Amino acid sequence: DIVMTQSPESLAVSLGERATINCKSSQSVFHGSNNKNYLLWYQQKPGQPPKPLISWASTRESGVPDRFSGSGSGTDFTLTISSLEAEDVAVYYCLQYYTTPRTFGQGTKVEIK
Amino acid sequence: QVQLVESGGGLVKPGGSLRLSCAVSGFNFGNYYMSWIRQAPGKGLEWISYISSTGTTRLYADSVKGRFTISRDNAKSSLFLQMDSLRVDDTAVYYCARDGGPRSWFDYWGQGNLVTVSS
Repeated sequence: DIVMTQSPESLAVSLGERATINCKSSQSVFHGSNNKNYLLWYQQKPGQPPKPLISWASTRESGVPDRFSGSGSGTDFTLTISSLEAEDVAVYYCLQYYTTPRTFGQGTKVEIK
Repeated sequence: QVQLVESGGGLVKPGGSLRLSCAVSGFNFGNYYMSWIRQAPGKGLEWISYISSTGTTRLYADSVKGRFTISRDNAKSSLFLQMDSLRVDDTAVYYCARDGGPRSWFDYWGQGNLVTVSS
């Protein structure tokens, strides 16, 4: 199984400041045949199910604000919130869908400083 | 709009059984893979099972293989998870989710249903 490791486990960021979350996979999730990274980011707010934010490592899902961006390739990925808003308080998970079983990172909790 | 509503959770003793259901509306259920994903209290997400659109392919995580059975009724737009030989560490919120397939992700999720395994 591919192990997904996120860092940090939690972070506190001031409103309007940048938040950066990292996700590392134990093997590459890049597929050379289509030049795509099989990596997605979810946002989970308290008491709610996860919501997809960014697919293919860097493609925002419909309706996701442009302050959210994803980057990286191969085994190392980053989710960036460019200017944190109060509504962004949540736990963020990465998911690899390159191979079965699909596996999640352990989550990163984002709070307001 | 897309809705997935889980039911059937609750408190059960170790070794017991439960059957979860997921009623789906807002999309053509029979065209999609479906998955169950769980989240232990205060913990992360664990995919546990998927079933293909026709039900011919089913896959399970090692943690539930041989104890849980996924099934579906396309005529009733419903997904099921039969959970047998339940253990304390099966305690979790269980989500049903629309699944794009083995090399895709889970795009729509239910609100979740709590299963508590305790004596």
